[in-house]
Amino acid sequence: AQRVTQPEKLLSVFKGAPVELKCNYSYSGSPELFWYVQYSRQRLQLLLRHISRESIKGFTADLNKGETSFHLKKPFAQEEDSAMYYCALLAYSGAGSYQLTFGKGTKLSVIP
Amino acid sequence: GAGVSQTPSNKVTEKGKYVELRCDPISGHTALYWYRQSLGQGPEFLIYFQGTGAADDSGLPNDRFFAVRPEGSVSTLKIQRTERGDSAVYLCASRKTSGGNTNEQFFGPGTRLTVL
Repeated sequence: AQRVTQPEKLLSVFKGAPVELKCNYSYSGSPELFWYVQYSRQRLQLLLRHISRESIKGFTADLNKGETSFHLKKPFAQEEDSAMYYCALLAYSGAGSYQLTFGKGTKLSVIP
Repeated sequence: GAGVSQTPSNKVTEKGKYVELRCDPISGHTALYWYRQSLGQGPEFLIYFQGTGAADDSGLPNDRFFAVRPEGSVSTLKIQRTERGDSAVYLCASRKTSGGNTNEQFFGPGTRLTVL
């Protein structure tokens, strides 16, 4: 079965410091990976997806199939980046559909 | 336009009672998902609707959980004989199935269910 692992429950960094939120996955098929973000008192929303190879709010994430990783990075953290971040894998469920499997999330706290 | 809406935002019930949670997806989104998020966990898949039919209900934990989407729009998640372990935030998401970016799921604000 597919699995997403986010090893850090909490990550605290100073404003202006680099950020790396780790995500590792296990899946026998071809993975499609996403990062979702949840700001305080807001709903879960898509931040970026690996197939788009885009930078959103200064964040990037590269899929490394050899290391089965999809780490989220930003060179200079901002206070408004403080939020809960979830890595998610789109995988075939075996029951007729593709499902999102989420990691447990990492809470990023940017210290002013 | 309006996003996914869910009602109620909070529901407190007693063990053994029946509850219904409602999801109103984005207009035109034919795919609808229910997830359950327990404290300290990420969302866990429960059920997926394509139109009116449940295309995949493999995530429902047991037969106390049931969901419907009779007209292919609003969906209701029904939980019978609630247990304290059912306490969680129940999330709904919808997705368009034609046009660009069809893999993006849009989430509602969730319903926080507390079973006493």
